[in-house]
Amino acid sequence: KNQVEQSPQSLIILEGKNCTLQCNYTVSPFSNLRWYKQDTGRGPVSLTIMTFSENTKSNGRYTATLDADTKQSSLHITASQLSDSASYICVVSGTSGTYKYIFGTGTRLKVLA
Amino acid sequence: DGGITQSPKYLFRKEGQNVTLSCEQNLNHDAMYWYRQDPGQGLRLIYYSQIVNDFQKGDIAEGYSVSREKKESFPLTVTSAQKNPTAFYLCASSISIGRGYNEQFFGPGTRLTVL
Repeated sequence: KNQVEQSPQSLIILEGKNCTLQCNYTVSPFSNLRWYKQDTGRGPVSLTIMTFSENTKSNGRYTATLDADTKQSSLHITASQLSDSASYICVVSGTSGTYKYIFGTGTRLKVLA
Repeated sequence: DGGITQSPKYLFRKEGQNVTLSCEQNLNHDAMYWYRQDPGQGLRLIYYSQIVNDFQKGDIAEGYSVSREKKESFPLTVTSAQKNPTAFYLCASSISIGRGYNEQFFGPGTRLTVL
């Protein structure tokens, strides 16, 4: 069964610190993996997308990595800010079937001053 | 100003009533989606539409209905048959479903509460 698992479920860090969020998936065949940021009470917004051949992709202080062999991805946040407090959702797309988006349950990040 | 809009932002419903959530996009996207989000759970697919006048059930379609009469509009009706409708509802659109590469753009959501 195609699944996406994220860890940790929640995380609290101090402003200015770095953190890493994990995403493991069993989706096959694999097309791409996308990280979304969702502020409380708002819709998710895309941060990065990675295809099979990409190992690392950055978007400002956000850096995503992908290991397609082990089916793992991580999202690293550098020098966290209070505005980084949000849920981060990993979405994996396969290539079979009509509807292809498999959502993880998200990691809720809280950045404290 | 391009984007995807949902209305209302908050909606209260009495038990036994049907309610309709609005979703409009001016991105010229063919594909549109409805998701339900509950605390501590990932987004769950209710319905999706690849093109006008076509839609498919998702994982939790029971108690919901949709229509796609116009490209830019994909309203969701929550019927009285939906046993636990209190949730945060998200609408999304993408250029097409394609190979899943296309980014889904999400609306701001509607929070539905059953009184």
